[in-house]
Amino acid sequence: QKEVEQDPGPLSVPEGAIVSLNCTYSNSAFQYFMWYRQYSRKGPELLMYTYSSGNKEDGRFTAQVDKSSKYISLFIRDSQPSDSATYLCAMIAGGFKTIFGAGTRLFVKA
Amino acid sequence: NAGVMQNPRHLVRRRGQEARLRCSPMKGHSHVYWYRQLPEEGLKFMVYLQKENIIDESGMPKERFSAEFPKEGPSILRIQQVVRGDSAAYFCASSPPVQGAINYGYTFGSGTRLTVV
Repeated sequence: QKEVEQDPGPLSVPEGAIVSLNCTYSNSAFQYFMWYRQYSRKGPELLMYTYSSGNKEDGRFTAQVDKSSKYISLFIRDSQPSDSATYLCAMIAGGFKTIFGAGTRLFVKA
Repeated sequence: NAGVMQNPRHLVRRRGQEARLRCSPMKGHSHVYWYRQLPEEGLKFMVYLQKENIIDESGMPKERFSAEFPKEGPSILRIQQVVRGDSAAYFCASSPPVQGAINYGYTFGSGTRLTVV
């Protein structure tokens, strides 16, 4: 079993839709949770960062962590074609090593 | 303020040749991480370095792969006697000291795409 599971998609939605992206994990030591966005042929860029359980909102993006279920989510409201990218969840147990999910490819159709 | 610089962007090597991938971290960042990305598999940790020190190389294949981050100059990921299975995108990331990786995440370069023919 992988430490972090993420559905690779692709996920295709119309412009303006609410997008829900999810990851599950098996290592209960993970404390820090991040979402990265990666455009084609580019390196990942940090979108959201949360510590422990709870919600965090930043503009159209909301990150949720449920440590009891070992489940994290990223919601994108009013999705735009420019949101089309691969979204990777990532986690750190407490040191430095970041473990990434496989990434979900998102397409937002105009 | 340049970000993480990786070069070359694309590298083609014949089987058996050596590949050298370079990474200059973001200004003020002293920690470098190398990841390999294969289609549908996400980013796989390879090695974590500080200046003149390898901190964790648990993700590096035991043979043919090595990494360094000298006192002066960029970090180098070296792959000797490349095979077709080494074809992948190799990403370098940097962060401030360890707490920075937790607090601020990584800053990634644009990657080097290695193709072994």
